[in-house]
Amino acid sequence: DVKVTQSSRYLVKRTGEKVFLECVQDMDHENMFWYRQDPGLGLRLIYFSYDVKMKEKGDIPEGYSVSREKKERFSLILESASTNQTSMYLCASSRTGGNEKLFFGSGTQLSVL
Amino acid sequence: SQKIEQNSEALNIQEGKTATLTCNYTNYSPAYLQWYRQDPGRGPVFLLLIRENEKEKRKERLKVTFDTTLKQSLFHITASQPADSATYLCALDITGNQFYFGTGTSLTVIP
Repeated sequence: DVKVTQSSRYLVKRTGEKVFLECVQDMDHENMFWYRQDPGLGLRLIYFSYDVKMKEKGDIPEGYSVSREKKERFSLILESASTNQTSMYLCASSRTGGNEKLFFGSGTQLSVL
Repeated sequence: SQKIEQNSEALNIQEGKTATLTCNYTNYSPAYLQWYRQDPGRGPVFLLLIRENEKEKRKERLKVTFDTTLKQSLFHITASQPADSATYLCALDITGNQFYFGTGTSLTVIP
């Protein structure tokens, strides 16, 4: 089975800190995604990547950046964490193609105080 | 921008009945539509995919319909069980590599 692993289940940070969220997948998937999930707003796409060193903005990229130096790893970076970035962050991966499903990690619940 | 609406945030049904969840979308014609299940504190898990040229898809007690004219998908769980209690999300595959999700419907099956 595909496994998508997120480095932390729970994370508490201070306003202004630089935060790194790590995601690793073990099935050689081309595509990787970062979503945030908030009550009443559902999953919103932050960034995605089609290939190593490639990245594309999703719907809400402001305040975030990403890094994909290796195919299996996709990192989400909060340059200067703010309280409105408190959320559940979900990483996902998929193969390239028109009918491929997403495989999600278990999520990281980030609290910014 | 794409708008995806799922019927009522919460749905309660009696065990053994059929649960019907609705997903409506606007502003685009996706080639594929997917349904996911999410349990509390976990990431979503893929359930079913239906293509635009398919009217209906089944998997065990699950059935999905896709009406591209109405821009609507219906997700049915027959003979529902308490273990089916979860949040169900629909997702549109817009470009073949980019997915947009609805806000989800929380289903509770009452024993």
